[in-house]
Amino acid sequence: EVQLVDSGGGLIQPGGSLRLSCAASGLTVSGNYMSWVRQAPGKGLEWVSIIYSGGSTYYADSVKGRFTISRDNSKNTLYLQMNSLRAEDTAVYYCARAYYSHRSGYPEAFDIWGQGTMVSVSS
Amino acid sequence: EIVLTQSPATLSLSPGERATLSCRASQSVSSYLAWYQQKPGQAPRLLIYDASNRATGIPARFSGSGSGTDFTLTISSLEPEDFAVYYCQQRSSWPPGYTFGQGTKLQIK
Repeated sequence: EVQLVDSGGGLIQPGGSLRLSCAASGLTVSGNYMSWVRQAPGKGLEWVSIIYSGGSTYYADSVKGRFTISRDNSKNTLYLQMNSLRAEDTAVYYCARAYYSHRSGYPEAFDIWGQGTMVSVSS
Repeated sequence: EIVLTQSPATLSLSPGERATLSCRASQSVSSYLAWYQQKPGQAPRLLIYDASNRATGIPARFSGSGSGTDFTLTISSLEPEDFAVYYCQQRSSWPPGYTFGQGTKLQIK
């Protein structure tokens, strides 16, 4: 069974740092396009970041320069290092596998999701 | 940046009725549009990819159509478990990224 398990969330003060983890089973993180998507309380979905199987990384403007996506192949785990956290970063963070479309040549949509981990930024 | 606008914001229907949800893009996204269902306290679930392809395990009552800027998710006959929030999503080539619509809440009438 393919499964993504998110962890690492919690309550953190503004300006602080937190690292989220996404442990994968049934798929290899390094061989897939892996992403983070967040959802503020009562709001819609917002894409945060993606790491391609080849290692390229991309970020939403709202987190660029503050967040870093990475992976540990030996642990089959995806990470999101979040620095300089702000109140507006408060959200449930989901890791997700982006399926690769052979038709377009790009990862187009998110077909496997973790259960999410809550990050609250508040003093 | 491509903006996705979903309508209506809220749709009130009864089980057995047909639901039609709309997603309009501010510029053409070809046919690379996806739809998700999200229930309270749960992660989103992929329903439709590439505008009209059902994801694995998705019932046949869910169908997607459209291309360019106008897309539709249709649920042919609503089941009680279909009442949820639905999002559309597309990929941007530049800047690289992904955009979601603001969601349509499908509620029981």
